[in-house]
Amino acid sequence: RKEVEQDPGPFNVPEGATVAFNCTYSNSASQSFFWYRQDCRKEPKLLMSVYSSGNEDGRFTAQLNRASQYISLLIRDSKLSDSATYLCVVSGYSTLTFGKGTMLLVSP
Amino acid sequence: DAGVIQSPRHEVTEMGQEVTLRCKPISGHDYLFWYRQTMMRGLELLIYFNNNVPIDDSGMPEDRFSAKMPNASFSTLKIQPSEPRDSAVYFCASRRTGGGETQYFGPGTRLLVL
Repeated sequence: RKEVEQDPGPFNVPEGATVAFNCTYSNSASQSFFWYRQDCRKEPKLLMSVYSSGNEDGRFTAQLNRASQYISLLIRDSKLSDSATYLCVVSGYSTLTFGKGTMLLVSP
Repeated sequence: DAGVIQSPRHEVTEMGQEVTLRCKPISGHDYLFWYRQTMMRGLELLIYFNNNVPIDDSGMPEDRFSAKMPNASFSTLKIQPSEPRDSAVYFCASRRTGGGETQYFGPGTRLLVL
């Protein structure tokens, strides 16, 4: 089983749509969780951390289910600028393990 | 503040040649990470340093790969000899103790080995 698994997509959605990405992880000892965003031919950048109680940052909502080892990201009112690859990230001992990412394409 | 700096941004070389990738972490960051990204395998950790000391190099694919960090502001990743399967984007990232787990990535080096 891969350490962090994501649906590669692409997810094609129109502007204004709501889209959700899911991720599962295998290491139950993982303590910290993140979503990174990677634009085409750019470096990954932190989008948001994921907390057990769930957290929101504007149009973005992240959820964590430790029992199921499952992480989600919800994007509301999608913008063209949201088009990118979203990487699910799980911490280990001083390191991060990245999923392969889910590609989102938002069209006019 | 300057972010993580990597050079060169692009490298095209022929099989068998030596390739050296360079990284300057964010000032004050004591952790430095080297990653490789390919379509097939995604983003893989190759090696990381803490206070200039290599901590875990288990991700280094084979002896052709080596990394050094002679001081807090500079690290190199060397491939010798290079092979076509080494073609990938190589990222350097850094973070500081006490700054959480967030890593800050450089722009990457796109390597093509012909």
